[in-house]
Amino acid sequence: DARVTQTPRHKVTEMGQEVTMRCQPILGHNTVFWYRQTMMQGLELLAYFRNRAPLDDSGMPKDRFSAEMPDATLATLKIQPSEPRDSAVYFCASGPGNYGYTFGSGTRLTVV
Amino acid sequence: KNQVEQSPQSLIILEGKNCTLQCNYTVSPFSNLRWYKQDTGRGPVSLTIMTFSENTKSNGRYTATLDADTKQSSLHITASQLSDSASYICVVSARGNNRLAFGKGNQVVVIP
Repeated sequence: DARVTQTPRHKVTEMGQEVTMRCQPILGHNTVFWYRQTMMQGLELLAYFRNRAPLDDSGMPKDRFSAEMPDATLATLKIQPSEPRDSAVYFCASGPGNYGYTFGSGTRLTVV
Repeated sequence: KNQVEQSPQSLIILEGKNCTLQCNYTVSPFSNLRWYKQDTGRGPVSLTIMTFSENTKSNGRYTATLDADTKQSSLHITASQLSDSASYICVVSARGNNRLAFGKGNQVVVIP
């Protein structure tokens, strides 16, 4: 089965450190999303790309978060500097347009 | 106010029993509605997706209904199994953009 691969699965880091999360979308999917999930807020959209171009990153704190797609097989989400309130599970999802998205297993980030 | 409201927030059911989860939304114009199942520590997995013209869709023991006039959907689980213990998330997509509105999920616990 095709799947979205996220690395690392778990990350513990100290406040102030840079964190980079990676996502390999399903081959052929031209839409990629980054979501953050917390117990309080549920799933929140951070950014999404279509054909590698960022279309919406309004949900992302711009001063510390950045999302890129250096090529069609890799999406990255970077936090610099990280803060304890960034602790959450970060999901990447990909899809062939506006129908039927597949989620990765997530990166569980803990900032201490 | 969240555009997607789910109820009940959580429920406990006996193995073998049926249950129904509710989703009310205000997203407009409507494109499609999806139900996802999220096991603990995993990413959401799509169960069903329905467009405006579809009233019901089944996936094994899961049956989703949609009333686009009243903006309501339900997910019915028949003959529940222990493996149905999960969070069930209702996601609504608006026509014309790729933004998804997420409910906070229905947490289902199936006990023997």
